[in-house]
Amino acid sequence: NAGVTQTPKFRVLKTGQSMTLLCAQDMNHEYMYWYRQDPGMGLRLIHYSVGEGTTAKGEVPDGYNVSRLKKQNFLLGLESAAPSQTSVYFCASSYSRGGDQETQYFGPGTRLLVL
Amino acid sequence: GESVGLHLPTLSVQEGDNSIINCAYSNSASDYFIWYKQESGKGPQFIIDIRSNMDKRQGQRVTVLLNKTVKHLSLQIAATQPGDSAVYFCAENYNAGNMLTFGGGTRLMVKP
Repeated sequence: NAGVTQTPKFRVLKTGQSMTLLCAQDMNHEYMYWYRQDPGMGLRLIHYSVGEGTTAKGEVPDGYNVSRLKKQNFLLGLESAAPSQTSVYFCASSYSRGGDQETQYFGPGTRLLVL
Repeated sequence: GESVGLHLPTLSVQEGDNSIINCAYSNSASDYFIWYKQESGKGPQFIIDIRSNMDKRQGQRVTVLLNKTVKHLSLQIAATQPGDSAVYFCAENYNAGNMLTFGGGTRLMVKP
């Protein structure tokens, strides 16, 4: 199993450009998440999904959109990138709430620089 | 709002010694806690978890202790090795979907 994978690993954007970050998991997990991590800070939840076709806002959703058209994929979109969105983005997935299935497994991250 | 926090931002230990990383949480409704390890340039990696109905849980070289009275969580690493050098995050999950709240992280540095 590859676990959680993210594409691309690194990207540079100009202010106003758009892009989509792709997350894929092969563990048949129901829940998927997008976080951002800024220097010296912990992870902050942007959006999450509790199943195919459903998404919800997290702690810092402004400026981002997401889609979960397939169970194994979770896309994070930036419609008009801003320098404040320079960060490292992590995707995670988990089975569902209850028991040991709550553990979230993380991808390797995508470094995004917005100039 | 309620949040998870850490007492020490940086911890430096000698190789072979035991390490203790602390975490304070303020949400009394939290019922599940996780410790993650994050090495430079990588995503967080699950280490160990504990439910609120437990006080202690042991893994391989790691132990998590939960003190619900003072809302305190700790991660103990036995015989710390250079490969343990990383940033460690605690996270809590309370009854609000499957959302985790992460602390700011503690950097563990192991001196050879």
